[in-house]
Amino acid sequence: KAGVTQTPRYLIKTRGQQVTLSCSPISGHRSVSWYQQTPGQGLQFLFEYFSETQRNKGNFPGRFSGRQFSNSRSEMNVSTLELGDSALYLCASSLESGVPGYTFGSGTRLTVV
Amino acid sequence: AQSVTQPDIHITVSEGASLELRCNYSYGATPYLFWYVQSPGQGLQLLLKYFSGDTLVQGIKGFEAEFKRSQSSFNLRKPSVHWSDAAEYFCAVDLTGTASKLTFGTGTRLQVTL
Repeated sequence: KAGVTQTPRYLIKTRGQQVTLSCSPISGHRSVSWYQQTPGQGLQFLFEYFSETQRNKGNFPGRFSGRQFSNSRSEMNVSTLELGDSALYLCASSLESGVPGYTFGSGTRLTVV
Repeated sequence: AQSVTQPDIHITVSEGASLELRCNYSYGATPYLFWYVQSPGQGLQLLLKYFSGDTLVQGIKGFEAEFKRSQSSFNLRKPSVHWSDAAEYFCAVDLTGTASKLTFGTGTRLQVTL
């Protein structure tokens, strides 16, 4: 059974640009969450989607957004990139929202220059 | 405020020695509790989790953790560390009770000497 797949693995963007990251959950998993990991702030929750609906949102500015498609695949978008957005973005999937236990992908390393 | 604390930023142990990584949480109720491990440049791998029931939880790779309600702790242990265990370890809790949002500790970096 394939794990959580995140694409691309690495990305370099220029300040002010926007970026879209993709996450394909484990087959059958319907809940997808996103986390940002930085050396300074650690792992922080961005948002969670279940059945194409955002169920929870972390404390991030509106430049960070996401969506989930009918096949449970999810994308997150960051607009007007700032240097501080450089981070490892991790996606995690779970069978259902409210069922504990997430499986994480390997992440997308975003570098903003 | 609700929080998760891993008091040890960095720990060094000799191969074959025992290991205990500490995790404390501040929350009114008993949350769902997790330990994850992360190797450099990789994602997070779930070692074990606690929801309810037996307070001693067995995980993968020979790890175990014990939930102590009175101490609000969920410490990770391994009786004999292998060099391949060198990584960063994160304690995580679901403080919402909805199992849809994890709050992570700051992590403990484990170094194993041969």
